[in-house]
Amino acid sequence: GQNIDQPTEMTATEGAIVQINCTYQTSGFNGLFWYQQHAGEAPTFLSYNVLDGLEEKGRFSSFLSRSKGYSYLLLKELQMKDSASYLCASMDSNYQLIWGAGTKLIIKP
Amino acid sequence: ETGVTQTPRHLVMGMTNKKSLKCEQHLGHNAMYWYKQSAKKPLELMFVYNFKEQTENNSVPSRFSPECPNSSHLFLHLHTLQPEDSALYLCASSQDLEGVNTGELFFGEGSRLTVL
Repeated sequence: GQNIDQPTEMTATEGAIVQINCTYQTSGFNGLFWYQQHAGEAPTFLSYNVLDGLEEKGRFSSFLSRSKGYSYLLLKELQMKDSASYLCASMDSNYQLIWGAGTKLIIKP
Repeated sequence: ETGVTQTPRHLVMGMTNKKSLKCEQHLGHNAMYWYKQSAKKPLELMFVYNFKEQTENNSVPSRFSPECPNSSHLFLHLHTLQPEDSALYLCASSQDLEGVNTGELFFGEGSRLTVL
């Protein structure tokens, strides 16, 4: 079956760095996505990886290893506004997005 | 503001009621989607429309009935729902189905549905 695993909840300190991991098992692979969702708001697109390696976008970076079925989202210089849920999704061979349950990130002062 | 607007934001209904959720996108996109989001569960794709034509129906019970009168509007008609249908219903759009490849999925803020 198809499956996405990511931690349910993580806590980090303002100004620190946090890494949110995601492992995926899908029928085929057409890319790995990360979305951010603040409580009561719409999910918004953060990143897309289809090739192995690290993609950096400001304070946020996303990494992909296709051979390991593994991705992570790295958040640097954490700010209170980064408190949100982070959704990992893998696109399978039919271009269907398979979603994880999301990781709730709590930032403490 | 994502360019996708959903109404109502909150809805409480009884099991015998009939109600509708509305979604409107101002992005000129051709594909629209309904998702169900339950607490601590992955997003569940319910319906997909491309150029007003339904292309996906992921085994959704018939008590949920979608309608797409044009590429900018999407409705989800609800009738005789069950308490387990209580969830956040998210609408999304993309330029086209292939556009999902690049992550260009734009979500609305959702309609929080409670079925009593």
